[in-house]
Amino acid sequence: NAGVTQTPKFRILKIGQSMTLQCAQDMNHNYMYWYRQDPGMGLKLIYYSVGAGITDKGEVPNGYNVSRSTTEDFPLRLELAAPSQTSVYFCASSSDRNNEQFFGPGTRLTVL
Amino acid sequence: AQKITQTQPGMFVQEKEAVTLDCTYDTSDPSYGLFWYKQPSSGEMIFLIYQGSYDQQNATEGRYSLNFQKARKSANLVISASQLGDSAMYFCAMRDMNTGFQKLVFGTGTRLLVSP
Repeated sequence: NAGVTQTPKFRILKIGQSMTLQCAQDMNHNYMYWYRQDPGMGLKLIYYSVGAGITDKGEVPNGYNVSRSTTEDFPLRLELAAPSQTSVYFCASSSDRNNEQFFGPGTRLTVL
Repeated sequence: AQKITQTQPGMFVQEKEAVTLDCTYDTSDPSYGLFWYKQPSSGEMIFLIYQGSYDQQNATEGRYSLNFQKARKSANLVISASQLGDSAMYFCAMRDMNTGFQKLVFGTGTRLLVSP
């Protein structure tokens, strides 16, 4: 099992550009999550999904969108990138609500 | 609202000694879960240990143990026999059980440095 994979690992965007952060898991987990980690801080939940076709907002959803068309994939879309979105983005998954979350390696995004 | 507080921005320990990383939490829910994650300099988040609010005994996983004091709302991580590879950021997190979805709230972390 590859676990949770994320692409790209690094990306630099200009203000106003858009991009999609990819996340995939091969553990057949129903629950998937997107977090952002700002320097010196813990992780904050952006969006989460409890299964294909079902998504909901977390603590900091503004400026982001998600979709969950399959169990495996949970892409995060940034529209009109802003410097405040400079952060490290982590995708995670879990088998059900009682189990630990497994994290991907992260995507480091810089918006200039 | 749920909140996790880690008051130690940094901790130092010598190799082979034990160290305690503090975590206090605030919630009005009777049902919750507490997690500790390790983040090495490479950046990935590694699950270490879990404690449920109704668990009668403190959780242990190898060299990691969780000192769970429910009345004080604390869930401190104890690492015994520290190793150089334990140098990392450590995050305490709490799961909100009552929403039905596994949302984690994280503290700001403690950086642990293990010296030879």
